Parts: sequence; structure tokens; C-alpha cells
Amino acid sequence: AQKVTQAQTEISVVEKEDVTLDCVYETRDTTYYLFWYKQPPSGELVFLIRRNSFDEQNEISGRYSWNFQKSTSSFNFTITASQVVDSAVYFCALSRVTGANSKLTFGKGITLSVRP
Amino acid sequence: NAGVMQNPRHLVRRRGQEARLRCSPMKGHSHVYWYRQLPEEGLKFMVYLQKENIIDESGMPKERFSAEFPKEGPSILRIQQVVRGDSAAYFCASSQTGPGAFFGQGTRLTVV
Repeated sequence: AQKVTQAQTEISVVEKEDVTLDCVYETRDTTYYLFWYKQPPSGELVFLIRRNSFDEQNEISGRYSWNFQKSTSSFNFTITASQVVDSAVYFCALSRVTGANSKLTFGKGITLSVRP
Repeated sequence: NAGVMQNPRHLVRRRGQEARLRCSPMKGHSHVYWYRQLPEEGLKFMVYLQKENIIDESGMPKERFSAEFPKEGPSILRIQQVVRGDSAAYFCASSQTGPGAFFGQGTRLTVV
């Protein structure tokens, strides 16, 4: 069975602070995908990143960076110099790579509030 | 290219009515996944379909819920005799192969 744990439920920061959102996962698969999504107050799901378990390189995209640590089964997400527009719920998710059924298993989400 | 399209965006139904939610996958995609987001909760997988076939419905309630993805036209998630507990956001994702990473904007169902 696959499982994603986002232990933080709510985080509040002041604008320009850096913030890290934690994600820990469990899977018996040797290959898998990891995802992060943003859900702003408007409700849509915005895809942020997909990472294959083969690729352990950390990734940076603008103010966003991701730290994938296979040894600790973690895929943490850092926002540098946070902005009010970053206020949203952030979901981490896991899926199989092999087989036809690649449904996503989501964590419960982290509500991030960025205050001006 | 149009993304995954869901309609309606908002749907209000009285208890006991039927709700039909539509999902048009991205062009060329033959795999559709439906997820439900109950208030204050994360997203939970409901059903995975390929054209004309249900592959995995392990997350779908056994009663009142059904899904289809016909050869032509959108995928439909049908909820019969809706109850207040069905109020949620329903999302679909599509893919050509592998996980559907991109989601539609969702349908917010409110049962009154």
C-alpha cells in the first residue's frame, strides 16, 4: 500500500520568509513518481512538479525548490522569499510508474498562509 | 491544446436527485481518473477508466455511484439519490499513459 504523510497541517509566515513543507511517503515499489500540487483559494489544482524516483537530483524553479531524499523517503518543498500569492493548500502525492493504473495517493495537505 | 475540461463547475442538487459530472480528457488521452475532495480533506482516488472499460473502482462507494468513459464523448461520474455527505469537489485527470498529472478545474457539488 502507498501512503503519503504531510505532518504539518497549517503554517503561517510573514512575507519574504522562507518556508519548507514536509512530505514523507511509503511505498513498496522500487520506482515511483512524486508530485506537488498547489490549491489556491479559487480551488483548482495547480501542478508544480513530478519527480521520478530514479532522479535524486534536487530541483529549483524560481523561488521553488525540492529536496528528494530517497534514504529518508522524503520529498520536501521549499518556497524562498514567500509572497502573499503563495497562500494556498499544498499537496504532496505519490503514484506507481509501472502498470496501467497509476492513481495518485495524496497527503492531507498543508495550509500555508503568508501574511504581508 | 485544451486541458482537461470539467463541467459543470458548480452543481447544486436537492437530496434524492441525480448528479452527473462530466470530464473531457486532453486530446489523445484515453485514461481518466476521478478523485473526490471532501471538505477539509485531501483528495481520494475514486475510479480509473480507459475507453469503454472500468479498470479500478476500488475507491468508489459501492452504492449510488457509477462511472463510464464511452468510446465517444466525455467521461461521466453519476451519483444517484444524492445525500448531503456527497457534497464535495470532484476532480478528474487524464493521461495517455502513466499517472494523470494534470487536473480539470473540478466540479463543486452542493447537496441541499
